[in-house]
Amino acid sequence: EVQLVDSGGGLIKPGESLRLSCAVSGLTFSDAWMCWVRQAPGKGLEWVGRIKSKGSGGTTDYAAPVKGRFTISRDDSKNTLYLQMNGLKTEDTAVYYCTHDSSGYYSFHYWGQGTLVTVSS
Amino acid sequence: QSALTQPASVSGSPGQSITISCTGTSSDVGGYNYVSWYQQLPQKAPKLMIYEVSNRPSGVSNRFSGSKSGNTASLTISGLQAEDEADYYCTSYTSSNTVVFGGGTKLTVL
Repeated sequence: EVQLVDSGGGLIKPGESLRLSCAVSGLTFSDAWMCWVRQAPGKGLEWVGRIKSKGSGGTTDYAAPVKGRFTISRDDSKNTLYLQMNGLKTEDTAVYYCTHDSSGYYSFHYWGQGTLVTVSS
Repeated sequence: QSALTQPASVSGSPGQSITISCTGTSSDVGGYNYVSWYQQLPQKAPKLMIYEVSNRPSGVSNRFSGSKSGNTASLTISGLQAEDEADYYCTSYTSSNTVVFGGGTKLTVL
């Protein structure tokens, strides 16, 4: 059974940093392309970014609102995905989900349970 | 990249069929057969219902079907059931090698 477990959320002040983690089991993580998707309270879903497998170059892509502030990385030895969030803004308040991009064209077959990040002074 | 356009809400009675539209451009929906649909129950993570326009993942009821014409994709739910009441989101791969979500549609089963 594939499981994605998100963690690391919390209450943080504007301008500060936070790192989210996503522990993955049940699939070959080193071959997996992974994404982060977020959902602000009462709002729709928004893609945050993606990291390809190292075998595919390990490159990252980001949505415009987070580019230059957020960094996605991976530790294949720990089967864990990370989202480093710097310079947080109040508009970054959301539930953050990690997802598995099953096809390379953003088909998200598996999702974490989400972790809430609240940015507030 | 602008969000794909979905109706804010749709409704139907049990047993009926409903269709949710998802309109984009030739740079996303119209240009690729990589449209997905997700169901989100309250306080839950989204669940993939349709991928690559019309494919159902294992375990998803065949009451759910997807199609596309031009720049508009559609999700049809037949034989509507109370448990189908949820928010539904479409996504599409884009020419920028990113993904764009629709704004979401709230389905109410009357």
